[in-house]
Amino acid sequence: DTGVSQDPRHKITKRGQNVTFRCDPISEHNRLYWYRQTLGQGPEFLTYFQNEAQLEKSRLLSDRFSAERPKGSFSTLEIQRTEQGDSAMYLCASTGDRNYGYTFGSGTRLTVV
Amino acid sequence: QKEVEQDPGPLSVPEGAIVSLNCTYSNSAFQYFMWYRQYSRKGPELLMYTYSSGNKEDGRFTAQVDKSSKYISLFIRDSQPSDSATYLCAPDNTDKLIFGTGTRLQVFP
Repeated sequence: DTGVSQDPRHKITKRGQNVTFRCDPISEHNRLYWYRQTLGQGPEFLTYFQNEAQLEKSRLLSDRFSAERPKGSFSTLEIQRTEQGDSAMYLCASTGDRNYGYTFGSGTRLTVV
Repeated sequence: QKEVEQDPGPLSVPEGAIVSLNCTYSNSAFQYFMWYRQYSRKGPELLMYTYSSGNKEDGRFTAQVDKSSKYISLFIRDSQPSDSATYLCAPDNTDKLIFGTGTRLQVFP
């Protein structure tokens, strides 16, 4: 297990379609985070899980967004009825102990056309 | 006011220069401070982390935190073209990272 894995790397979808992204964290990490990053901006927090429990959701996460982490392992982020404003890089990160920082995946780049 | 402020740059320096990257933050409760490096179209990579005020050195990189003035710095000595990237400061808000906008650094040969 060499790091955080995200799939797919790129996704192009038409406006109004649903999309789902997957994140596989580092296996011993109990916390998993989703961030969104647009061009020229730093990552913005969306939501995080401790094991299978979703502990916090940002105001940025509208009703069209849902995230799950069944059994505290991998996580999925689903966006329903995509809009052009959803175009961004979606980053997943995991950590076991904040003292040692968070490890990020390479991200899923979403383009809504 | 944003919780974390960072000059977006770009900052352009010649190879071998000493680079200073800075952030300010507003929440005095922040205790952990991270610096991430992000290459174009890649995820952020952890460079350094510090706890509370003080300095931490790792090779060519030094991170400095001054909690009294809510000021975070990253120094890069003997900068290399491979250091060209965006540098993100990220205080830890107890249970999540709050990122600045990032400073784009260009090191030219």
